[in-house]
Amino acid sequence: NAGVTQTPKFRVLKTGQSMTLLCAQDMNHEYMYWYRQDPGMGLRLIHYSVGEGTTAKGEVPDGYNVSRLKKQNFLLGLESAAPSQTSVYFCASSYSGGGGVHQPQHFGDGTRLSIL
Amino acid sequence: GQNIDQPTEMTATEGAIVQINCTYQTSGFNGLFWYQQHAGEAPTFLSYNVLDGLEEKGRFSSFLSRSKGYSYLLLKELQMKDSASYLCAVREDGNNRLAFGKGNQVVVIP
Repeated sequence: NAGVTQTPKFRVLKTGQSMTLLCAQDMNHEYMYWYRQDPGMGLRLIHYSVGEGTTAKGEVPDGYNVSRLKKQNFLLGLESAAPSQTSVYFCASSYSGGGGVHQPQHFGDGTRLSIL
Repeated sequence: GQNIDQPTEMTATEGAIVQINCTYQTSGFNGLFWYQQHAGEAPTFLSYNVLDGLEEKGRFSSFLSRSKGYSYLLLKELQMKDSASYLCAVREDGNNRLAFGKGNQVVVIP
């Protein structure tokens, strides 16, 4: 019962370094999402994907890139990390939704990222 | 644009009932979700409303009024483990994207 798995769980970076966060889901979900969660701000959507090979921008995409080469994986990249990107990052996945269909998003345990 | 409002914090006594409100103004509406998030953990799905009215699930119930842009989550027979943040989220379109409120921190005291 793995569900949505995020790696790594914690990371500390220096300003200007790059890194990739990995999200993997084993529920055969079409849709995947990356959020960041900051104190007092709630969850904000960074990028999302509605299928293998497709990606789209969310509410706060600047400074991040994503790729969805395989249906089960969704990668979030920081090319040049900045202190403002210090946050908790959550990945989520779901079946395709809309039309009044009940399709909740399932979340991973998060990656706690600090940029010094 | 989107605007989803929730009170920030409330305290309630074990065994009591607490109502968590959510008001929303969004460009589209295709359902409203409630999630529970314990400190340091992932959000977990609690309930879903797309039509007006009350949905009951054990100790948790959720209500929706689309005309008023309003929902509430009702927690009955509060337990200490219910201390958590409760997130209201609106699904705006068919891509299943969710717009989240900032969450309401509920503290349960003995």
